[in-house]
Amino acid sequence: RKEVEQDPGPFNVPEGATVAFNCTYSNSASQSFFWYRQDCRKEPKLLMSVYSSGNEDGRFTAQLNRASQYISLLIRDSKLSDSATYLCAVNKVKAAGNKLTFGGGTRVLVKP
Amino acid sequence: DVKVTQSSRYLVKRTGEKVFLECVQDMDHENMFWYRQDPGLGLRLIYFSYDVKMKEKGDIPEGYSVSREKKERFSLILESASTNQTSMYLCASSQPSTETQYFGPGTRLLVL
Repeated sequence: RKEVEQDPGPFNVPEGATVAFNCTYSNSASQSFFWYRQDCRKEPKLLMSVYSSGNEDGRFTAQLNRASQYISLLIRDSKLSDSATYLCAVNKVKAAGNKLTFGGGTRVLVKP
Repeated sequence: DVKVTQSSRYLVKRTGEKVFLECVQDMDHENMFWYRQDPGLGLRLIYFSYDVKMKEKGDIPEGYSVSREKKERFSLILESASTNQTSMYLCASSQPSTETQYFGPGTRLLVL
């Protein structure tokens, strides 16, 4: 089983709709979780950190489910500009240097 | 503003050539990372460095070496390039106090 897994998609989303997708992780001791956004042929950029209590940033909501070992990202009122690949990242437990393991990414396509 | 730069956006090399990829960050970060990103395989860690002259192998170090002579600069070296090293190479940096990684724009390397 991969350490961090994501549905590659693509998720085809009508503009204005809500889309949600998950990222599962295998190590129950993981403590830090992140969502990154990567536009086509560009570098990943931090979208948001995921806290135990969940967090919201505008139209984006991230949740952590420790019992089932997954994090989720929900995008409300999707915009065309939300089209991107969303990477989740989880800290490598007991590893020096704050290393992260990245999922393969979920591609989201928002269409008019 | 956080800035990570990479020496080239696109590079074409021949099999057997020695290739140098350079990364510079201006945030005084201690940690620096080299990843490669391939379709279907996501981001994979090649090497990372947690201090000047300190380095540690990542998940796929074979065929690569690194150099960190100054805090702001982390170089990835392909000793003898092979076609299976054709990939997108991404550099990142972070502070020890946080696991948030900031990425450079990436170098697309084609080995012929």
